[in-house]
Amino acid sequence: EVQLVESGGDSVQPGGSLRLSCAASGFIFGTHWMSWVRQAPGKGLEWVANINQDGSAKGAVDSVKGRFTISRDNAKNLLYLHMNSLRDEDTAMYYCARDKVTGDSFFDSWGQGTLVTVSS
Amino acid sequence: DIQMTQSPSSLSASVGDRVTITCRASQRISSYLNWYQQKSGKAPKLLIYAASSLQSGVPSRFSGSGSGTDFTLTISSLQPEDFATYYCQQSYTTPLTFGGGTKVEIK
Repeated sequence: EVQLVESGGDSVQPGGSLRLSCAASGFIFGTHWMSWVRQAPGKGLEWVANINQDGSAKGAVDSVKGRFTISRDNAKNLLYLHMNSLRDEDTAMYYCARDKVTGDSFFDSWGQGTLVTVSS
Repeated sequence: DIQMTQSPSSLSASVGDRVTITCRASQRISSYLNWYQQKSGKAPKLLIYAASSLQSGVPSRFSGSGSGTDFTLTISSLQPEDFATYYCQQSYTTPLTFGGGTKVEIK
């Protein structure tokens, strides 16, 4: 059974930093693209960033470029989101999601989410 | 960025009703369109990928259609467990973008 378990969410002040982790199990982690998707309280879904199988290709939404970095450790089956210069508008539930091996992109497995609150 | 517009933003329906949700892309995206269901307090769940392919384990009352800019999610006979919020998402290009969601409520 595919499992994704996020951790690392916390309450931080604006300008602070956090590192989110996503522990993957039940599949060959290193064969899939992975993404982070967030959801502000009461709002819709927003894709944050993705990374390919070996970490050589990454993408991110403009609002986090230069502040957030996605990375992965295939030996440990871990996905990370390094978050710097946090802003109020980054407050959200952050989900990791499994993406394609190749071909069509879609998120077929999601974690339960980890909550990030940015507030002074 | 490709904007995804869903309509309606909410609807009320009864068990057994046929429900249709539409999603329009701001530019042509071929069939790179996915649909997700999200229940309150839970993570989203993939229903349909590549516009019309049913994800494994998803009931056959869910179906998707469309290509280019206009897409549809149909629930042929609404069940009590289908009351949720539904999102479309384009995977044609980054940034990957979602529609604003359609909340399906009990009439």
